[in-house]
Amino acid sequence: GAVVSQHPSRVICKSGTSVKIECRSLDFQATTMFWYRQFPKQSLMLMATSNEGSKATYEQGVEKDKFLINHASLTLSTLTVTSAHPEDSSFYICSARLKGLVRYEQYFGPGTRLTVT
Amino acid sequence: AQSVSQHNHHVILSEAASLELGCNYSYGGTVNLFWYVQYPGQHLQLLLKYFSGDPLVKGIKGFEAEFIKSKFSFNLRKPSVQWSDTAEYFCAVNGDNRLAFGKGNQVVVIP
Repeated sequence: GAVVSQHPSRVICKSGTSVKIECRSLDFQATTMFWYRQFPKQSLMLMATSNEGSKATYEQGVEKDKFLINHASLTLSTLTVTSAHPEDSSFYICSARLKGLVRYEQYFGPGTRLTVT
Repeated sequence: AQSVSQHNHHVILSEAASLELGCNYSYGGTVNLFWYVQYPGQHLQLLLKYFSGDPLVKGIKGFEAEFIKSKFSFNLRKPSVQWSDTAEYFCAVNGDNRLAFGKGNQVVVIP
């Protein structure tokens, strides 16, 4: 149980275009989803916290107009990278927290490799 | 905000050797502690977690970790590693309802 999927797994886009990444909790409802960014040989950096039905909370230094997050249902959150540039190339990982879980635990998706040319 | 330190970012050892990865955190409140593993080409998987109770926590694949509150540490151990333990290991701390990750330890086990 507690499987999180991401789509696509890899995407290559041209500079200036927008890319949407989906994060789904397959067998549970997630009240909260998180989006991370991972640079090569570095740790995961939290970008934003997404609660179903409300606006995402962005970490300091993350441009909310550039990284649009939508959490329309208890099983789906999307991250849209708008007007992508080469410096946005990275590995994006989402995670989800079970609805009703008292203790804090996140389940991670497999990640999406974004390459902007 | 919490922060996490992991040392010895690159560890190379032979099969059957013992492994210990250090994790220190800074946070003034109650924390939940985690170790995650990322095998090559795969996603993050939870190895073990500590919320409360016995500070010695046993996880999957023979891993264990000990929470020492006075030292703000949560070190990961495995008595005898296998080639399949080659992976990146991340320590994470939850405080303020968000996870903070360390920079990870790249562990390579030589057959």
